[in-house]
Amino acid sequence: QITLRESGPTLVKPTQTLTLTCTFSGFSLNTGGVGVGWIRQPPGKALEWLALIYWNDDKRYSPYVKNSLTISKDTSKDQVVFTMTNMDPVDTATYYCAHLVSTMTTGYFQDWGQGILVTVSS
Amino acid sequence: DIVLTQSPLSLSVTPGESVSISCRCSESLGQSAQHHYLDWYLQKPGQSPEVLIYLASTRASGVPDRFSGSGSGTDFTLRISRVEAEDVGVYYCMQALQTPFTFGQGTNLEIK
Repeated sequence: QITLRESGPTLVKPTQTLTLTCTFSGFSLNTGGVGVGWIRQPPGKALEWLALIYWNDDKRYSPYVKNSLTISKDTSKDQVVFTMTNMDPVDTATYYCAHLVSTMTTGYFQDWGQGILVTVSS
Repeated sequence: DIVLTQSPLSLSVTPGESVSISCRCSESLGQSAQHHYLDWYLQKPGQSPEVLIYLASTRASGVPDRFSGSGSGTDFTLRISRVEAEDVGVYYCMQALQTPFTFGQGTNLEIK
């Protein structure tokens, strides 16, 4: 059984840096084709892809987010850490981490965490 | 970057009806039947999204055969036959051909 769980602060102040951790089980980030992504969803709005890290440490980021994004993995702990700098109230959202399955012909988020609601407010 | 446009943005249907949701891409996701990086997700109220369809037409594990996906190039469709009450929620298409991955705006399905 594959599980993912997001952890981190639920309230951050404007200009602060958000650090979220995704702890997963049931798969390995050492396996070819596997990735972990971060997706967010502002209240009442659509999903927005933010970042992705692949098994080979290839990292991809959204160019649409003004904040500086960083993603990293610790395979010994089965964790992925995501940071977003200079948080603003518009960054208030539920942040999900998700398990990506990718091959030469497809890619999809097979499993999702429950999400963590992060509110940005002074 | 690839923009995905869904239509309609909302649906209100009677149980037992069949519905289709369209997802149009600003660029081709591939013409080959083997290469369609288009996925469909359902987000039920208060829950995380779950994958329904990947590779444009392959049902994910455990997904009822009432759900089917089709399409190629820039035009894709999710069809739900015999809608049930448990199908309520927001449906999203997503392209995974290239980063940044992008989602459609979502289609909200309600039951009358």
